[in-house]
Amino acid sequence: QSALIQPASVSGSPGQSITISCTGTSTDVGGYNYVSWYQQHPGKVPKLIIYDVNNRPSGVSNRFSGSKSGNTASLTISGLQAEDEADYYCVSYTSDTSLYVLFGGGTRLTVL
Amino acid sequence: EVQLVESGGGFVQPGGSLSLSCAASGFSYSSYSMSWVRQAPGKGLEWISFISSTGNTKFYGDSVEGRFAVSRDNAKNSLYLQMNSLRAEDTAVYYCARDSGSYSPYYFDVWGQGTRVTVSS
Repeated sequence: QSALIQPASVSGSPGQSITISCTGTSTDVGGYNYVSWYQQHPGKVPKLIIYDVNNRPSGVSNRFSGSKSGNTASLTISGLQAEDEADYYCVSYTSDTSLYVLFGGGTRLTVL
Repeated sequence: EVQLVESGGGFVQPGGSLSLSCAASGFSYSSYSMSWVRQAPGKGLEWISFISSTGNTKFYGDSVEGRFAVSRDNAKNSLYLQMNSLRAEDTAVYYCARDSGSYSPYYFDVWGQGTRVTVSS
């Protein structure tokens, strides 16, 4: 079981919005604004889409946004497109010095 | 173009060793920390190692601590991962990634294409 908890799958129709949650604890997600999100298409390389909870790297669509409430971070994709179908992973800094960084187990997004 | 290119993957028997390399280009390599992240077949991503820009600070995940060693050569813009005492569960695609952390892993903004390691008898 991964240290950060994500739903195994989510789905949505084109044009809709979906949200993927990432739940940790006060020693990681809840304690720091150091959550990042990655998109990985099947057989492809992961791509950074959000860092520091809600910042987008240059070139990433503004349809992707991040937020956090308590120990749960969220990735929202608005105006869903077929190309958004992929796996999404959250990552968080942790104050546990034996772990350093935590990954979520990943969420498969299906565009219906 | 910012680029990371891994090499060195392959097939190895349990208990064996393998050395991975990652060649960086298109950015000031010596200014960045680096991490290795792996992905077992059909599984999620797992961070396994971090090295600071100078190479003075190194961290490892529990699953590889004591068996893997990360190093870098800033003169050659290269990152390395020496993997010893390999186990079947080390079978994965190994990615090198540019790490935005200065003192510990943070977020990974550039990824290589990955190199596949298969550990099997």
